[in-house]
Amino acid sequence: AQSVTQLDSQVPVFEEAPVELRCNYSSSVSVYLFWYVQYPNQGLQLLLKYLSGSTLVESINGFEAEFNKSQTSFHLRKPSVHISDTAEYFCAVSFPGGKLIFGQGTELSVKP
Amino acid sequence: DTGVSQNPRHKITKRGQNVTFRCDPISEHNRLYWYRQTLGQGPEFLTYFQNEAQLEKSRLLSDRFSAERPKGSFSTLEIQRTEQGDSAMYLCASSLAQGLTEAFFGQGTRLTVV
Repeated sequence: AQSVTQLDSQVPVFEEAPVELRCNYSSSVSVYLFWYVQYPNQGLQLLLKYLSGSTLVESINGFEAEFNKSQTSFHLRKPSVHISDTAEYFCAVSFPGGKLIFGQGTELSVKP
Repeated sequence: DTGVSQNPRHKITKRGQNVTFRCDPISEHNRLYWYRQTLGQGPEFLTYFQNEAQLEKSRLLSDRFSAERPKGSFSTLEIQRTEQGDSAMYLCASSLAQGLTEAFFGQGTRLTVV
């Protein structure tokens, strides 16, 4: 079955602390992986993506995610978060044929 | 091109009425997706198209829901005999099939069924 699971629905963290948002997927075939972010009252926008090549991918605002094929995971990390990182984060998986499905989302709340 | 456009942005309808939403994708994108999102949840896959062909429709989707993309450009999503449980944000996204770029999302249509 094709599924995406985000293990934490809410992650509260203090500013400048590290954070990890977890994502696991279920697939017997190769997939492409994405993290999207949704700021309050805004639309979904791409944060980073893994298509092939290096298993560690980075975004322009300091987030990174590592593809782990054996564990079917694509966890998102940032070594030091900022107040402006407060948002909902969604992991997404694209399966052969183009079907794109999302996890349930993780609400990251950064406190001063 | 200004991105994926959805109309209307908001729709309030009475239970039992039919509603139709429109999505205009980025012009060169041949894949188009529809999702439903409720508060605190991730986008729930409804259906997707490649050009004018509807490749998959969610098995969880009631027969009251139908989508079309007649000329492989814009798409419409119709909900017949709306129910209060249909209240949600309906999202459209588009992407290229070749080269696998990411999906770009519209701002969504918020449906409220009263």
